Amino acid sequence: AQKVTQAQTEISVVEKEDVTLDCVYETRDTTYYLFWYKQPPSGELVFLIRRNSFDEQNEISGRYSWNFQKSTSSFNFTITASQVVDSAVYFCAFRGAGAQKLVFGQGTRLTINP
Amino acid sequence: SAVISQKPSRDICQRGTSLTIQCQVDSQVTMMFWYRQQPGQSLTLIATANQGSEATYESGFVIDKFPISRPNLTFSTLTVSNMSPEDSSIYLCSAQWGTEAFFGQGTRLTVV
Repeated sequence: AQKVTQAQTEISVVEKEDVTLDCVYETRDTTYYLFWYKQPPSGELVFLIRRNSFDEQNEISGRYSWNFQKSTSSFNFTITASQVVDSAVYFCAFRGAGAQKLVFGQGTRLTINP
Repeated sequence: SAVISQKPSRDICQRGTSLTIQCQVDSQVTMMFWYRQQPGQSLTLIATANQGSEATYESGFVIDKFPISRPNLTFSTLTVSNMSPEDSSIYLCSAQWGTEAFFGQGTRLTVV
């Protein structure tokens, strides 16, 4: 069975610091997808990124970057120069290629202090 | 991306009553999903809703408690029946386009 682990329950940093959110997954599938979502206090789930298992190229989008390491089954998320608006709960999720449902990690509550 | 509209956005309900949550998608999708997020917890899939067939429920969730309708390819409802305080959660609907999954804004339910 698939499993997603976000070991960091809560992180608190001061604005402008860089912060990395860890995500480790377990699967026997050879093809799969990994996701990151942001959940601000309002409760909606905002899609950030999707990564395919066959594409290990890291991705950067503005202040956000993602490091996918298949050898360590990790898909970590880094926010550079954090801002107060980045405060939210962040979820890492997994889906097997033949499956439809997402398996979520427990989430990391990120607080950016001014 | 796609737009998923969910309502109500929040509600406070008396125990023993039922609440129906609506989810509208701005384009046709084959599969829609309903998730529950208990306070301070992660998301757990309740069921998968296909148009024209019975919903498929995950372990621990039953149709009598969470009946789901899927009358067409853009709409679904989830009913939380005979509510108790343990049902207080955020309920989110989701739809998939290709490999991406998008979510509605959630319904924050408090049962008193």
